[in-house]
Amino acid sequence: GAGVSQSPRYKVTKRGQDVALRCDPISGHVSLYWYRQALGQGPEFLTYFNYEAQQDKSGLPNDRFSAERPEGSISTLTIQRTEQRDSAMYRCASSPAGPSYEKLFFGSGTQLSVL
Amino acid sequence: DAKTTQPPSMDCAEGRAANLPCNHSTISGNEYVYWYRQIHSQGPQYIIHGLKNNETNEMASLIITEDRKSSTLILPHATLRDTAVYYCIVISNFGNEKLTFGTGTRLTIIP
Repeated sequence: GAGVSQSPRYKVTKRGQDVALRCDPISGHVSLYWYRQALGQGPEFLTYFNYEAQQDKSGLPNDRFSAERPEGSISTLTIQRTEQRDSAMYRCASSPAGPSYEKLFFGSGTQLSVL
Repeated sequence: DAKTTQPPSMDCAEGRAANLPCNHSTISGNEYVYWYRQIHSQGPQYIIHGLKNNETNEMASLIITEDRKSSTLILPHATLRDTAVYYCIVISNFGNEKLTFGTGTRLTIIP
């Protein structure tokens, strides 16, 4: 596709439910990043992949959060047993190989609301 | 530890130059200065970056002081569409690092 695609655009769930957020990066992009953004705050790093390898997951807040990118393309961020504090905008970004921060493109995000 | 310090908010009149400052006094020799902006509910967008020389592109200019401890992003003729949060980020280009966004500067362009 032309840009980074995220789905769903909005997700409302009840506390305790599991959710899966999907990111489809720009075709050919090697690196894929997940960020979380609370209202009025800057994006907070969660994890990133080069191809299918998860290079850094230091930003995942706890073990309820996990991410995968099994074929080096589409990635899924899963939150188990959701809590109200998980409510935020979840953003995905992708970039070509190598340190290419000027070619880092973000998706429109998934707005997660946990009731 | 915050690597950069930016004012939380600024106003600028439409058509004037917007000058956004950033302090990065602990920057190391291999670290670049990157600027991104985030318009309303969109994802962050790359603007410009530099190491030690001043840089200019179609969007903005970046002025880095000689000691590299601070920089200024310049939007030469600000328009209403430049209203956004602007993030100054210091990062090396070695790879395997993540962009760390702070709280940025909320720039409001006044008609």
